[in-house]
Formats: sequence, C-alpha cells, structure tokens
Amino acid sequence: DAGITQSPRHKVTETGTPVTLRCHQTENHRYMYWYRQDPGHGLRLIHYSYGVKDTDKGEVSDGYSVSRSKTEDFLLTLESATSSQTSVYFCAISEQREQFFGPGTRLTVL
Amino acid sequence: DQQVKQNSPSLSVQEGRISILNCDYTNSMFDYFLWYKKYPAEGPTFLISISSIKDKNEDGRFTVFLNKSAKHLSLHIVPSQPGDSAVYFCAVYSGGSNYKLTFGKGTLLTVNP
Repeated sequence: DAGITQSPRHKVTETGTPVTLRCHQTENHRYMYWYRQDPGHGLRLIHYSYGVKDTDKGEVSDGYSVSRSKTEDFLLTLESATSSQTSVYFCAISEQREQFFGPGTRLTVL
Repeated sequence: DQQVKQNSPSLSVQEGRISILNCDYTNSMFDYFLWYKKYPAEGPTFLISISSIKDKNEDGRFTVFLNKSAKHLSLHIVPSQPGDSAVYFCAVYSGGSNYKLTFGKGTLLTVNP
C-alpha cells in the first residue's frame, strides 16, 4: 500500500470556522489530489498539485484553498466552513495514471 | 454534463456467479480507463485498468472489457465472492500532464452468500 496518511480522520466543526485537512505521503510522488465523496456524486476533484507550490483547481474548488510547501504534504483549507462542505475528503497521489488514495477524513459542519 | 456514467447504483449477485459492472463515457478522446474498489470507511483502491489500444485486460478473477465504438467498458468478476461486496468506481484519464482522473458515481455491489 502507498504510504498516505490523512489527518484528522474525523472532525466536527461549526459553520463559519476555518478548517485545515492534511495529507502526508512517504512515496515522493509528484502529483497530489484532493477529492470529496458525496452520495449520488461519486468522487469529485477539488484541487490538485503537480509539484511544490504548483497547484490548480478541480471541478468543485469554490470555498477551498490548498497549499503544498513540501513534496510530502498537501493541505486543504476551508476558509469558512459551510454545511454543504460536510463530506468525506480523500487525498490521492500519483506518478502516472493510477492514483493511490488515503483513508479519508470525515468532516461534519454543524 | 457527466463524462463518465455508471447507470446502475447497485447490483446484487449470488456468491460464485458472475458480477458485471458497467460504465459509459462520452468522449472518444479518453485513452485510459480504470476501476477502483471502495469498502466503507476506507479509501478507494486501484483494481484494474485498460488502455484504449486494448479491448480486454485480465487480472485473476477480474477482467475489464473496452468497447471503443460504443464508448463502454465493463468489469467482470468471476466467481464473485462475499468479500467483493463494495462500491466500484469507473474512472477515465483524458490525457494531459497532470494525470487527472474523472470518476463515475459508483455502483454498490453486494455478493450474497
């Protein structure tokens, strides 16, 4: 299994608060991705990174920002959490077309 | 617009029988296709893939078929086992240097003992 960890694994927060999720890899893969999984929507790409300090938007990027200051870490920030951002968030890494996923973070915004 | 469609939200089969999961895509430029399996409370895991230059790829009990003219791929699991019960996602790679994938909504497979 690819060495990918996500923290925290579970979080409950209140509307309007900032939240940061962390993805850490030990595989030295160049590409990293953040997805959210919601019932009826499958996996949707939020943001991705193609190198240190190189990031770009995915299909559902509104309300989210990311940063990658080191190869191994990719942070996802919800600047002001809303109830619509209640979801399960997955990080993935790749060097080619196959992506490998972390265990996920379940976020609840009350 | 959904570029990748898994039209069956769920599928139930008996242990030992064949499971067939289907996926349709819209863009003939897609050139690499993947299947992922996801258990509850875990991340998706890569299962099998196929390039557009092939029409079949096998890995043990899992076979993926690609019909480019119909823009359709399918995953066959033979024989199905209770441990195969999971959500299966189809994904496509459309080219480009960032290796982005587009996923279908998933099909929940239940294999009954």
